Amino acid sequence: EIVLTQSPATLSLSPGERATLSCRASQSVSSYLAWYQQKPGQAPRLLIFDASNRATGIPARFSGSGSGTDFTLTISSLEPEDFAVYYCQQRSNWPRTFGQGTKVEIK
Amino acid sequence: QVQLQESGPGLVKPSETLSLTCTVSGGSMSSYYWSWIRQPPGKGLEWIGYIYHSGSTNYNPSLKSRVTISVDTSKNQFSLKLSSVTAADTAVYYCARGITGYGDYWGQGTLVTVSS
Repeated sequence: EIVLTQSPATLSLSPGERATLSCRASQSVSSYLAWYQQKPGQAPRLLIFDASNRATGIPARFSGSGSGTDFTLTISSLEPEDFAVYYCQQRSNWPRTFGQGTKVEIK
Repeated sequence: QVQLQESGPGLVKPSETLSLTCTVSGGSMSSYYWSWIRQPPGKGLEWIGYIYHSGSTNYNPSLKSRVTISVDTSKNQFSLKLSSVTAADTAVYYCARGITGYGDYWGQGTLVTVSS
């Protein structure tokens, strides 16, 4: 099973700042990595798939990069609605696995 | 707009079988994978398994001996059965549409508590 490790666990930032979230895989997942946003009481929402492709309706301030074992989700300028928990997920191997999450909180 | 809605008992006794159904509206079940994913309270996400519209399945090895996922395309529904549940199976259960291995549409989730 591929283990995804996200860092940091918590990111404290102010609106307008840039957020950089990391996801590291225990073995190569090629570009088969997605990012999700989850707000309290809601289901996860797909933001980025295949490392760098924005899902339908996702604002351009969200971008993804990386391949192999190291991936990054960048939010260029945080909006109030962006404060949430973010998960990475790989589809390279079965079972599909998620990282433990990074919480982006208001500083 | 595709919508998914989970339904089923919110409380299940230990050793019994958890049964949930996901109803899909606003789109066809063809050409997609239909998944169950769970999240224990305050914890991360676990992919339970998926079923293709044709009926082929794949289950997480950690749960494989206890899981059955089935589909009824005539009703636009797919279902989850998890047998011999324990408190460790207490979680919010989500159904999701999968395309190329990711979940692009999700249900709102349903909390299932295992307790006597």
